Amino acid sequence: SYVLTQPPSVSVAPGQTARITCGGNNIGSKSVHWYQQKPGQAPVLVVYDDSDRPSGIPERFSGSNSGNTATLTISRVEAGDEADYYCQVWDSSSDFYVFGTGTKVTVL
Amino acid sequence: EVQLVESGGGLVQPGRSLRLSCTASGFTFGDYAMSWVRQAPGKGLEWVGFIRSKAYGGTTEYAASVKGRFTISRDDSKSIAYLQMNSLKTEDTAVYYCTRGGILGDFDYWGQGTLVTVSS
Repeated sequence: SYVLTQPPSVSVAPGQTARITCGGNNIGSKSVHWYQQKPGQAPVLVVYDDSDRPSGIPERFSGSNSGNTATLTISRVEAGDEADYYCQVWDSSSDFYVFGTGTKVTVL
Repeated sequence: EVQLVESGGGLVQPGRSLRLSCTASGFTFGDYAMSWVRQAPGKGLEWVGFIRSKAYGGTTEYAASVKGRFTISRDDSKSIAYLQMNSLKTEDTAVYYCTRGGILGDFDYWGQGTLVTVSS
């Protein structure tokens, strides 16, 4: 089965840039989506199809995907960005959806 | 406004069954695939399964951890998706989310979740 690996945690100071990686075999050939989940809340889609943002998501959230790594970048980090972030792909070879292991972003 | 509301969660003994419902509004329900995603306490997200729209055959796919025990169905006339869970195990304890499937394989809308606790 397809596996997506994320770092367990990322720490960043306010105003700085946070980068969250998502590793998978040839993930650059897949469409990657990212979700933000705050404590006690349902996940929210923040980036879809590698780098597009749903309406209402700040431009500070951006994504890229190439080779074996996809990256979610949060620019000018704010205290409100503190949350768990998950990457996700559709594995067409198995007809399964796959989530990454999740990354906790802490704003110092 | 798109809304997804789950119901039917609760405490159930191991080996018993439970059926969750997801009532949708704000969009043409029959045009979309619907998925269930769960999250065990303190753990990450786990995809459970999905049902395609009737236009794509209305067929289902399941994660290996639930295949043969869980069944997803849909009633497009009522805009409801169901998750029938049989032979429940303690490891099925989780918050269960209903999600709408985006055309690019994403989950663009989520319900608030319903807690299922499997315990004796």
